[in-house]
Formats: sequence, C-alpha cells, structure tokens
Amino acid sequence: EDQVTQSPEALRLQEGESSSLNCSYTVSGLRGLFWYRQDPGKGPEFLFTLYSAGEEKEKERLKATLTKKESFLHITAPKPEDSATYLCAVPKVKAAGNKLTFGGGTRVLVKP
Amino acid sequence: EPEVTQTPSHQVTQMGQEVILRCVPISNHLYFYWYRQILGQKVEFLVSFYNNEISEKSEIFDDQFSVERPDGSNFTLKIRSTKLEDSAMYFCASSEGQVPYEQYFGPGTRLTVT
Repeated sequence: EDQVTQSPEALRLQEGESSSLNCSYTVSGLRGLFWYRQDPGKGPEFLFTLYSAGEEKEKERLKATLTKKESFLHITAPKPEDSATYLCAVPKVKAAGNKLTFGGGTRVLVKP
Repeated sequence: EPEVTQTPSHQVTQMGQEVILRCVPISNHLYFYWYRQILGQKVEFLVSFYNNEISEKSEIFDDQFSVERPDGSNFTLKIRSTKLEDSAMYFCASSEGQVPYEQYFGPGTRLTVT
C-alpha cells in the first residue's frame, strides 16, 4: 500500500527565513507527485506536479524537487501570506481514475 | 478561471438522516472524485467516477454511500443514514484526464452529524 509521510508536522518561520518541507513516499511505480496548499477550512489548492526524479518546478517563492524516494518543497524568503498547510500526494493509477494518497501535511506559519 | 464548486458549505444533520452533498466539477473534466478530511487528519480518498460509473472506491465507501451524476454538470454524494463518525469536510475533485493530470478540489462541505 502506498505511504506518504511529511515532515516536519509544523514549521514556524520568520518572514524572509527560507526553509524546506519534506515528503517521503513508498509507492510501487511512481506516476507523479502532487503538491497542494490548503488554507484552514478550505479545499486543497493545486501547486505542482512532478513526474520524474530530478525534476524541479517553481512558482513565486516555492520550488518543488523530486528524487526517487522523496520530494522537497523549498520556501524562499517566505511572506506571511505563505502561511498554510502544504500537502503532498501520490496517485495510484487504476483503469479509470487516480486515487490520491495524501501525506499528513506540514503546517507553515510565517510571522512578520 | 474555472473552478470546482460545492454546496452547501456547511450541513448539519441528525444521526440517521440522509444527506446529499453537491458538486459542480470543471466543465471539460472527465474524472470525478470525492475525498473527506476528518478534523486534524489526512485527506482520504472515498470514490472515483468516470463514464457514469464508479471506477474505484475505498473501504470507507460502504453501502451507506452512493454517487451520481444526474445531469451534465452536477456530481453528488449521498449518505443514506448518517453516523456521528461521518462528521468531516467532504471535498469534490475533478481532473481533465487520468494520468498524470492533477485533480482540482472544491472548497468543501463541512458535514456535522449530531
């Protein structure tokens, strides 16, 4: 069974203090890895898809990378508006549809 | 920008009652999903739906749950007889294709069973 583990569970940063979030996974045949942002009481908001080891994607202050065993989400010079829970998920491919298995998330709080 | 919408945003119901949660997926998407998130826990898969039939369901998705696409735009989740443990956020999601397409999530319906 696919397993996704995220660390740390929570992260408190000062504005401008860069950091990295980890997502480690155990899947049989990775078909991609997704990063989402979730604000309190809201649905996950799609950020990135990574398909293969060595791939990197960037969006504003966020950069996602992928290795064969884990993915990192780097937050560079974060601002208070980057405060959210960041989720990673891996798809399980079936004949018709993608079941996503999510990690527990990392709650990021950026203080001004 | 197209988005997934869900109604209601919050539903309070008594144990044993039936509830229907509604979703309007993104219009050109073909795959539809329901997930739930119990407070403080992971987002977990319930069911996937394609070509007017269930393609996969989790162990959570027992006989009390059903899904339907009654017309070309709506996608519903019905819980026939709610239990206290059904209290959670329920998210609808849709994707344009199967792999490796990302899933776009709605804002969720908070279901409270009393």
